Amino acid sequence: SSELTQDPIVSVALGQTVRITCQGDSLRNYYATWYQQKPGQAPVLVIYGKDSRPSGIPDRFSGSSSGNTASLTITGAQAEDEADYYCNSRDNSGSRQVFGGGTKLTVL
Amino acid sequence: EVQLVESGGGLVQPGGSLRLSCAASGFTFSNYWMHWVRQAPGKGLMWVSRINGDGSFTNYADSVKGRFTVSRDSAKNTLYLQVNSLRAEDTAVYYCGRGERGYSYGYVDYWGQGTLVTVSS
Repeated sequence: SSELTQDPIVSVALGQTVRITCQGDSLRNYYATWYQQKPGQAPVLVIYGKDSRPSGIPDRFSGSSSGNTASLTITGAQAEDEADYYCNSRDNSGSRQVFGGGTKLTVL
Repeated sequence: EVQLVESGGGLVQPGGSLRLSCAASGFTFSNYWMHWVRQAPGKGLMWVSRINGDGSFTNYADSVKGRFTVSRDSAKNTLYLQVNSLRAEDTAVYYCGRGERGYSYGYVDYWGQGTLVTVSS
């Protein structure tokens, strides 16, 4: 079982705000990284560190963290944001990395 | 432009071996950590292994430790994953990814398109 826990399915109305969460003990000490993956494609890095976006990632994507929970927020979700989202961080030992189980985001 | 191109996947019997390759271009290969991540059909992502820029440090997910070996050849700008003692549960698309120059957040900012490994008799 994954050391990072995500809700399997989340939905959001077009143009509304959605928060995708990731829980795990290691998140008390390490930031989460967030990836977006669309069917048949490789993952894409969307958020890393405290709240950093690679170039090309829209500013409607943001990250935050509190205690053992990291969150990815999409403010004004677009149809093209429909995808699977994965969090990633260190494991509880701090020496390896681990992914959450993924969240399938549906934009209604 | 950063490019990562995996190869070497295929159909292999349980207990068999393969060597996966990832040809890198568009950046100074030896300056970056590199990662392998896999995804079983219809399942989520699983981190497999990482290696630092000069190849002196590696580590692995518990489920592959002792069976998989990551290495790199900076003269060829190529990352490798030797996969031995393969099991049905190793069936997956294997992605290589470019990590950071240092190791602060552990992110992968560029990904290859993946190579499929199928373990079946």
